[in-house]
Amino acid sequence: GQSLEQPSEVTAVEGAIVQINCTYQTSGFYGLSWYQQHDGGAPTFLSYNGLDGLEETGRFSSFLSRSDSYGYLLLQELQMKDSASYFCAVYGGATNKLIFGTGTLLAVQP
Amino acid sequence: KAGVTQTPRYLIKTRGQQVTLSCSPISGHRSVSWYQQTPGQGLQFLFEYFSETQRNKGNFPGRFSGRQFSNSRSEMNVSTLELGDSALYLCASSFQLAGDSYEQYFGPGTRLTVT
Repeated sequence: GQSLEQPSEVTAVEGAIVQINCTYQTSGFYGLSWYQQHDGGAPTFLSYNGLDGLEETGRFSSFLSRSDSYGYLLLQELQMKDSASYFCAVYGGATNKLIFGTGTLLAVQP
Repeated sequence: KAGVTQTPRYLIKTRGQQVTLSCSPISGHRSVSWYQQTPGQGLQFLFEYFSETQRNKGNFPGRFSGRQFSNSRSEMNVSTLELGDSALYLCASSFQLAGDSYEQYFGPGTRLTVT
């Protein structure tokens, strides 16, 4: 089967850097995606890693290590608007489904 | 380009009733996936439709069903509603199958409350 683990909650202060980890177990693997969801809103795509290494998109970066079945989302220069839930999702695999983790609730404090 | 739309946005039903939710994907997208989201459970995959065919199914009972029309619009139906079916139901669309697309576009969801 497929499973993903991420911390349930993370708290950080404005301007700081925070890292949200995701470990996965999957039979077959194509890549790892990250989504952001504000309270009451729809999940929106943030980034995708198909290969090992770091992908940078503005203040957000995402990292993947296929050998360690591990990835993380790095948020820099945190802003209050970054307070949201962040989901990692495993893309592909034997079931060809997109499976989401249970999400990490990020609280940014002033 | 218009985003993914879902109707209705909010719904209150009674145990034992049935409900139909609708999802219109982004124009040109052929895949529609449905997810159930409850607090602490994340997004649980229900099923995926592509070109009017169910391509994947999650671990939900047969009370949950869906279909897709020739214009790619999709509906999901839940029969004999239970209190535990109260959740946010999200649909997401992509041009290719979800497993072949690294990005899905989500609708705002339908908040279903079963009393």
